[in-house]
Amino acid sequence: DTGVSQNPRHKITKRGQNVTFRCDPISEHNRLYWYRQTLGQGPEFLTYFQNEAQLEKSRLLSDRFSAERPKGSFSTLEIQRTEQGDSAMYLCASSLSTGTDTQYFGPGTRLTVL
Amino acid sequence: GNSVTQMEGPVTLSEEAFLTINCTYTATGYPSLFWYVQYPGEGLQLLLKATKADDKGSNKGFEATYRKETTSFHLEKGSVQVSDSAVYFCALREGNKLTFGGGTRVLVKP
Repeated sequence: DTGVSQNPRHKITKRGQNVTFRCDPISEHNRLYWYRQTLGQGPEFLTYFQNEAQLEKSRLLSDRFSAERPKGSFSTLEIQRTEQGDSAMYLCASSLSTGTDTQYFGPGTRLTVL
Repeated sequence: GNSVTQMEGPVTLSEEAFLTINCTYTATGYPSLFWYVQYPGEGLQLLLKATKADDKGSNKGFEATYRKETTSFHLEKGSVQVSDSAVYFCALREGNKLTFGGGTRVLVKP
């Protein structure tokens, strides 16, 4: 299967700790997106990369959040000094800018901050 | 800003019943419209899409028509199955990001 993959699938951490998530997009997809989904809500956009360049960031992405895509392939999302309000499902999606540019989603990383 | 409003669930219906999930949107331009589905324990999957007014998206017996005059993209299926039980999300894309509605949980009983 060559879909979007995310690791870890689940992460439990204590408040104040740092966490890092990884996303591997569909190969050849040049665009990569991060979304956050809280329980009972739809996903909310966080940030977007085209190749290695981070082109857009939501106001939801506080200074404690940082995302990278150093070689234009996989991406990492780091949350520093986690807070209980950070508990959510973090979704990654990828797309190909030529053609339909449809976004395909990974299974998500569920973060629980105790 | 852009927004998507969809009917709240849960929607409970019997197998072979007709399903409609209402979705309306607000956008500054001419967005593409999508329905995504999330089955229990699984990630978001694209169900169907429409990129311009009057386009009809269809997949797995589901249909939705892009109605610019009513800014709507209602999802319909003529005869649901138990396996259609899931959460359905309406979304629009303007630029490079998707804006989602809150989701509608559908439960189909045998």
